[in-house]
Amino acid sequence: ETGVTQSPTHLIKTRGQQVTLRCSSQSGHNTVSWYQQALGQGPQFIFQYYREEENGRGNFPPRFSGLQFPNYSSELNVNALELDDSALYLCASSLNRGTDTQYFGPGTRLTVL
Amino acid sequence: GIQVEQSPPDLILQEGANSTLRCNFSDSVNNLQWFHQNPWGQLINLFYIPSGTKQNGRLSATTVATERYSLLYISSSQTTDSGVYFCAGVREKLVFGKGTKLTVNP
Repeated sequence: ETGVTQSPTHLIKTRGQQVTLRCSSQSGHNTVSWYQQALGQGPQFIFQYYREEENGRGNFPPRFSGLQFPNYSSELNVNALELDDSALYLCASSLNRGTDTQYFGPGTRLTVL
Repeated sequence: GIQVEQSPPDLILQEGANSTLRCNFSDSVNNLQWFHQNPWGQLINLFYIPSGTKQNGRLSATTVATERYSLLYISSSQTTDSGVYFCAGVREKLVFGKGTKLTVNP
């Protein structure tokens, strides 16, 4: 059984650019959630996808968008990057939406210069 | 939304010591998870514990849902236990506390 994987591991971008982060969910899981973790803070919920539809969103601007594919893998897109977007981006998958246990990937560390 | 508070924010122990980490939440939750974040950023599931007590080796956790708190016990700590411990409560989404940074010295 393959765990949650994310790519790339590290990424450096400049302000104003766009970035796409990728996540493959654990086998059999149909729900993917994305989190942003700033240095020294706990992860903050960005949004969740269930069976290719957005299923809840946190307090993030529309320039944070996502997709989920038929194989339940997912992308996080961030447009018009700002310095404050520098963070660790974590993806988690769960068997189903709701209160099921979430399993996290290793994260993508994004630096915006 | 719910607020999750963890204490203490920092904890330094000698190897072999025991410790208790606390998590308070402002409203009832449908689920509560404890995680350990290693130095590389990976969040490792420790417990899924909406209520009751669970044990896994040297770690155990207790959630008292009616009083809105959960405790994580670490016994006979080892240097590999170092890292940040997070609790997270679920209503519509997973809400994390700010974590407890644990340092275990040899």
